[in-house]
Amino acid sequence: GAVVSQHPSRVICKSGTSVKIECRSLDFQATTMFWYRQFPKQSLMLMATSNEGSKATYEQGVEKDKFLINHASLTLSTLTVTSAHPEDSSFYICSARGQDDYEQYFGPGTRLTVT
Amino acid sequence: GQNIDQPTEMTATEGAIVQINCTYQTSGFNGLFWYQQHAGEAPTFLSYNVLDGLEEKGRFSSFLSRSKGYSYLLLKELQMKDSASYLCAVNDGNYQLIWGAGTKLIIKP
Repeated sequence: GAVVSQHPSRVICKSGTSVKIECRSLDFQATTMFWYRQFPKQSLMLMATSNEGSKATYEQGVEKDKFLINHASLTLSTLTVTSAHPEDSSFYICSARGQDDYEQYFGPGTRLTVT
Repeated sequence: GQNIDQPTEMTATEGAIVQINCTYQTSGFNGLFWYQQHAGEAPTFLSYNVLDGLEEKGRFSSFLSRSKGYSYLLLKELQMKDSASYLCAVNDGNYQLIWGAGTKLIIKP
């Protein structure tokens, strides 16, 4: 149990375009979802935390207008990178947590390359 | 502030034992996690400690001392596939994880 999927696994887009990444909890209700970004050889950086039905809470330094997060249901959260630039190229990972659950379950990640 | 320290890199020999240490200073504490991450992949859960002591799970064990703000991950009978980064993360009481930078473990034959 506790499977989280992400789609797409890899995406290449041109500078200036927008990209949407989906994160789904397949067998549990995710009351909270987390979005991370990881640059090569660095640890995970939390970008934002979203609770179902509420606005996401963004970490300091993360532009909320650039990284749009929607958590409209208990099984789906989306991250949209708007007007992507090459510096947004990174590994984006989501995780999900059920209510009163201490563990976060990670999706497999999405590698974004902006050319 | 919030701080988690772990060594950047460690090297060990196949079949041996290695201990990866993690020290933390966080505003709150509701458990410490160890994750394994292979290059290009998302982290996978290894262990969770919320009480002091040793938790054993097969070849992997994790220890916690809350009074010392200290944990270690012990890997026995090392295999080549154990070459990965090992991430220490603390639940700060708000269900967010505070992450260490990770320890890259290199296994040599």
